[in-house]
Amino acid sequence: DGGITQSPKYLFRKEGQNVTLSCEQNLNHDAMYWYRQDPGQGLRLIYYSQIVNDFQKGDIAEGYSVSREKKESFPLTVTSAQKNPTAFYLCASSRKGQTNEKLFFGSGTQLSVL
Amino acid sequence: AQSVTQLDSQVPVFEEAPVELRCNYSSSVSVYLFWYVQYPNQGLQLLLKYLSGSTLVKGINGFEAEFNKSQTSFHLRKPSVHISDTAEYFCAVGNTNAGKSTFGDGTTLTVKP
Repeated sequence: DGGITQSPKYLFRKEGQNVTLSCEQNLNHDAMYWYRQDPGQGLRLIYYSQIVNDFQKGDIAEGYSVSREKKESFPLTVTSAQKNPTAFYLCASSRKGQTNEKLFFGSGTQLSVL
Repeated sequence: AQSVTQLDSQVPVFEEAPVELRCNYSSSVSVYLFWYVQYPNQGLQLLLKYLSGSTLVKGINGFEAEFNKSQTSFHLRKPSVHISDTAEYFCAVGNTNAGKSTFGDGTTLTVKP
């Protein structure tokens, strides 16, 4: 089945540690996105990429980093500079990255701080 | 710039009652509008979308929405809800000038027996 796979489902971070969230898609989509979801605040865009080896900052990029070395993969690193990392992280993709396209979402990663 | 306001953070209804989830947007250019649903601990899935043409859009699970340009609204409706409709619903807007879509804060629909 085609879709987006996020792993792990749950992740714990110690203070000062960097952690990486995985996102893989087999939909052959050009564009991929990372969103952060906090209770009552909807989805906020962290980073997005419309093509391999290129990505742009979203609304809340500070304390995060990404790479897009392969079309099917868009990992997100939560660095120690992100002081409030506890949230539900959602990865999404779309065919060409245009705003009239449907977004396909993964099932999310819940990140918590130990 | 574009923005989305979902007017109700929580909507409780009884099973088989009608429901309306309200969404208003602002944009200086023509828009594309979406409603997504999120079940607990899952990602979002598309319910319906408006790109152009008929202002009444029908989606999955019996939901529909009406685009009202004069009132800058895109309210979601269902004539008779089921327990299984309990979820969080997000309205989103995009336009040809923006490189990304903007999501509302979400509305939690709780259907009671």
